[in-house]
Amino acid sequence: DAGITQSPRHKVTETGTPVTLRCHQTENHRYMYWYRQDPGHGLRLIHYSYGVKDTDKGEVSDGYSVSRSKTEDFLLTLESATSSQTSVYFCAISEVAEQYFGPGTRLTVT
Amino acid sequence: AQTVTQSQPEMSVQEAETVTLSCTYDTSESNYYLFWYKQPPSRQMILVIRQEAYKQQNATENRFSVNFQKAAKSFSLKISDSQLGDTAMYFCAFEVIIQGAQKLVFGQGTRLTINP
Repeated sequence: DAGITQSPRHKVTETGTPVTLRCHQTENHRYMYWYRQDPGHGLRLIHYSYGVKDTDKGEVSDGYSVSRSKTEDFLLTLESATSSQTSVYFCAISEVAEQYFGPGTRLTVT
Repeated sequence: AQTVTQSQPEMSVQEAETVTLSCTYDTSESNYYLFWYKQPPSRQMILVIRQEAYKQQNATENRFSVNFQKAAKSFSLKISDSQLGDTAMYFCAFEVIIQGAQKLVFGQGTRLTINP
């Protein structure tokens, strides 16, 4: 298994509260990604990073921000969580021609 | 924009049978990668097979093979001698390379059930 961990694995939060999800890798890969998975949509890219402090938006980036201050950590922040952000969030890493996914975080916004 | 369509939300077959999952995609790119991922109930995303668009030969990995039709933009997955452990969601994905990063576009998924 690729060395990717996500924390927390499960979280329940209230509407309007800030939430930060963490992705940690031990592979020293340059590229990191955040996806969300919802029924009927597969996985959709939220943000990605191509190096320390280098990030860009994916197809569903509204309401999310990211930061990468170290190669191994990629943080996803919901500044003010909404019920539409209830989802399963996956982190992924890649180097050449293949992405490896973390175990996922189930986030429920009530 | 690239899109990926999986037209079969659910499929069910008996153990040891062969099953084919369909996937079509839309792109103006000439060189790209296509993938099939498996997601069992554990939720872990597992790469099943990868196809490079410039290769005419269909990729094969043990019991898993693809039928890649580039002109038709079709990329189906065939599972031979299906096993109970093949029960999972299967996602087709198309890769776009931007600034060296692989941006995957996923289909909606097909839920496959293998019955004993």
